[in-house]
Amino acid sequence: LAKTTQPISMDSYEGQEVNITCSHNNIATNDYITWYQQFPSQGPRFIIQGYKTKVTNEVASLFIPADRKSSTLSLPRVSLSDTAVYYCLVGPLTGANNLFFGTGTRLTVIP
Amino acid sequence: GAGVSQSPSNKVTEKGKDVELRCDPISGHTALYWYRQSLGQGLEFLIYFQGNSAPDKSGLPSDRFSAERTGGSVSTLTIQRTQQEDSAVYLCASSLVVRLAGVGNEQFFGPGTRLTVL
Repeated sequence: LAKTTQPISMDSYEGQEVNITCSHNNIATNDYITWYQQFPSQGPRFIIQGYKTKVTNEVASLFIPADRKSSTLSLPRVSLSDTAVYYCLVGPLTGANNLFFGTGTRLTVIP
Repeated sequence: GAGVSQSPSNKVTEKGKDVELRCDPISGHTALYWYRQSLGQGLEFLIYFQGNSAPDKSGLPSDRFSAERTGGSVSTLTIQRTQQEDSAVYLCASSLVVRLAGVGNEQFFGPGTRLTVL
């Protein structure tokens, strides 16, 4: 049984803000939410991590509601180079057993 | 090296043969992870090491799969009697173990080993 659920694909025009939502209804108290980006023929790359409320860094924001049953990755003003697969990962910070990547969302940025 | 390295980058083998995949983590990273990714699919978690210990091996697909880590560094994933369904990209990642969210505990992935079983 998958621990996370994401849309399979999304399209966006350059310059727009993109929001990708991940559902994780069975998230545990010790679990954090981490998002990774993967380009073809490369391993995933860390984007952002959070536990609750809002986290922002230089590339993205992560919004987590109070019930923590979902999270939304927000990419501001996407460019063509943001075309990639984005994975939502739920798991503890340490003793990282049973790490579940989501199905991934394939984002295509259109000129 | 500066990043996680994996070898070989590509491996073609015949059904029934054994293969060994190697991962060199970032120096100082105590946690090491193995994943498998089939074509067009997401990542499937296989096993996690903290130091040389693997607390949970339940992600390994069958008893043909085994992994070890020595000296808290290099790890080897071994697949015995390979089957065609084992064909995939095998990814290794390493991380520090830091109890603060967003502070250094992200996983750094290697380029992967593409395994093809004929």
